[in-house]
Amino acid sequence: DTGVSQNPRHKITKRGQNVTFRCDPISEHNRLYWYRQTLGQGPEFLTYFQNEAQLEKSRLLSDRFSAERPKGSFSTLEIQRTEQGDSAMYLCASSSAGSSSNPQHFGDGTRLSIL
Amino acid sequence: AQSVTQPDIHITVSEGASLELRCNYSYGATPYLFWYVQSPGQGLQLLLKYFSGDTLVQGIKGFEAEFKRSQSSFNLRKPSVHWSDAAEYFCAVVLLGSGNTGKLIFGQGTTLQVKP
Repeated sequence: DTGVSQNPRHKITKRGQNVTFRCDPISEHNRLYWYRQTLGQGPEFLTYFQNEAQLEKSRLLSDRFSAERPKGSFSTLEIQRTEQGDSAMYLCASSSAGSSSNPQHFGDGTRLSIL
Repeated sequence: AQSVTQPDIHITVSEGASLELRCNYSYGATPYLFWYVQSPGQGLQLLLKYFSGDTLVQGIKGFEAEFKRSQSSFNLRKPSVHWSDAAEYFCAVVLLGSGNTGKLIFGQGTTLQVKP
């Protein structure tokens, strides 16, 4: 169990630029989640994949956000035309198949700062 | 409105003292309940979880939590706090029912500071 891996750990970019984050879940986990956490708040759900299928998207996920999990393994989260309000920690989590009660294992996150 | 509430934003305790962090939820049916801990700049680590059965659950690092249905609460406790427990603590729920994807709904967190 090598844990959930997220890259990069930090991203600094200018407003209007596009950014892409990567998440490598625990290898046998077929469920993958993305969350966003702003300073002083709890994480908020963004989107959920079961294998390669994106089964739920939050209303927080505007048209500028897109997530993929093309082969049911790693996932990417892209933000186009970044805005100041996108500055946050983006967390990825994975869990094993079966019950929705299976605990989620989190990566260390990607911190995005918009200049 | 449906929510997870952690009433205490910040708590300071002395090392060796006991700790209780509060969590209340407002959902029609009892959800799955979790406590996570987050150290600065890190992801979240699961401390413990409750699904059913014994209402007192034991977790890692000496933590325990008690589910009280009548109060819609799931408070986290530790008898003796260590300096390394200083972190942010999140209560979270997973709603039950068909079609639920297992997404976590978090409270806003409680920051724990430990005095020497």
